[in-house]
Amino acid sequence: ETGVTQTPRHLVMGMTNKKSLKCEQHLGHNAMYWYKQSAKKPLELMFVYSLEERVENNSVPSRFSPECPNSSHLFLHLHTLQPEDSALYLCASSQGNGVQETQYFGPGTRLLVL
Amino acid sequence: GQNIDQPTEMTATEGAIVQINCTYQTSGFNGLFWYQQHAGEAPTFLSYNVLDGLEEKGRFSSFLSRSKGYSYLLLKELQMKDSASYLCAALSGGYNKLIFGAGTRLAVHP
Repeated sequence: ETGVTQTPRHLVMGMTNKKSLKCEQHLGHNAMYWYKQSAKKPLELMFVYSLEERVENNSVPSRFSPECPNSSHLFLHLHTLQPEDSALYLCASSQGNGVQETQYFGPGTRLLVL
Repeated sequence: GQNIDQPTEMTATEGAIVQINCTYQTSGFNGLFWYQQHAGEAPTFLSYNVLDGLEEKGRFSSFLSRSKGYSYLLLKELQMKDSASYLCAALSGGYNKLIFGAGTRLAVHP
């Protein structure tokens, strides 16, 4: 247990569905991240939030929409996804001072888009 | 561009020593992380190097040479539970931005 939880752990959705992924951290951190991990590819950073403000948006398609209502919670809203969006979506958090911080990961949500 | 290279797969014998290499080319380099990831689980932090040299932590050690853009993770007294993927990640400018390699899948055999 790293102190970062994600729900759901598995999700199957059609291309016309709308769903949301949830991440919660119990570490008192101020920064949260979304990553995508596809088979045999490196983890790709999607979004970074610091003190509930988005500080990094790594050229992610608009069908992925993040939301950070407070420093403990992070959501990823999904709509009209494509089959190639099927992947493991990982959330992470760090202290939030912006310098050389260790990121702690949640277990991920395995997403399948049909 | 930004690039992290590490071998795709390695095998080793229980009780042995294995070294996993990582080379990187990134802008604004600010340190090198190693994570361990068991299948279906979250990556877990192993080590962080920002200065040149060797950092030892129990059975695991990590080395960094900034001038060569090179790091390695050394695992001693291998155990079956060490079978996992090992991810090399460079901290590169931006806001605590990690650039990951594709991971090295290590299989430890009896």
